Amino acid sequence: DQQVKQNSPSLSVQEGRISILNCDYTNSMFDYFLWYKKYPAEGPTFLISISSIKDKNEDGRFTVFLNKSAKHLSLHIVPSQPGDSAVYFCAASSNTGGFKTIFGAGTRLFVKA
Amino acid sequence: NAGVTQTPKFRILKIGQSMTLQCTQDMNHNYMYWYRQDPGMGLKLIYYSVGAGITDKGEVPNGYNVSRSTTEDFPLRLELAAPSQTSVYFCASSYSKNNEQFFGPGTRLTVL
Repeated sequence: DQQVKQNSPSLSVQEGRISILNCDYTNSMFDYFLWYKKYPAEGPTFLISISSIKDKNEDGRFTVFLNKSAKHLSLHIVPSQPGDSAVYFCAASSNTGGFKTIFGAGTRLFVKA
Repeated sequence: NAGVTQTPKFRILKIGQSMTLQCTQDMNHNYMYWYRQDPGMGLKLIYYSVGAGITDKGEVPNGYNVSRSTTEDFPLRLELAAPSQTSVYFCASSYSKNNEQFFGPGTRLTVL
């Protein structure tokens, strides 16, 4: 039972354009969402997060949007750079519904120069 | 500040062998975690700890054991290695439950 789904295994974008990575979740108890970036042969690194009391959080070129009614969040990268090429994991957790942070399967982003 | 360190980076085990994956963090985090990542899959939580002396099972604990005698160290033990345990193992730590997690570089384990 995948509670956090990233339905696109990969995404290819031209340098300078917008990258949009999507994530859907099924458990309405999730109230905190995070995005991690992972380069090959390295551990994931935290990118940006959002609480369920917000619908948008922005940090430089990275913006996360949360649509609670649709149980959907997205990560926007503008403008995309070749160094953004990595695997991006969406993760969700709950303050009240148990401890675990649940990770999606990841989306591999290719930014072409 | 080294962050989260893991040893070894790579290991090949024969079926039935045992080993310990080491994890150390120098950020004084109370929360520590062990995940495994199989190809094309997300991270699955094996075990976690909310402080020294306290551990609990995650989603996929079978075949593994952990201990947490100090704040810094959180070793993962495989007692009887099986091919299904071939995976990349990540250790992570965080300041509190919903804070960002800091990950180590991973251990790639192959069981033949």
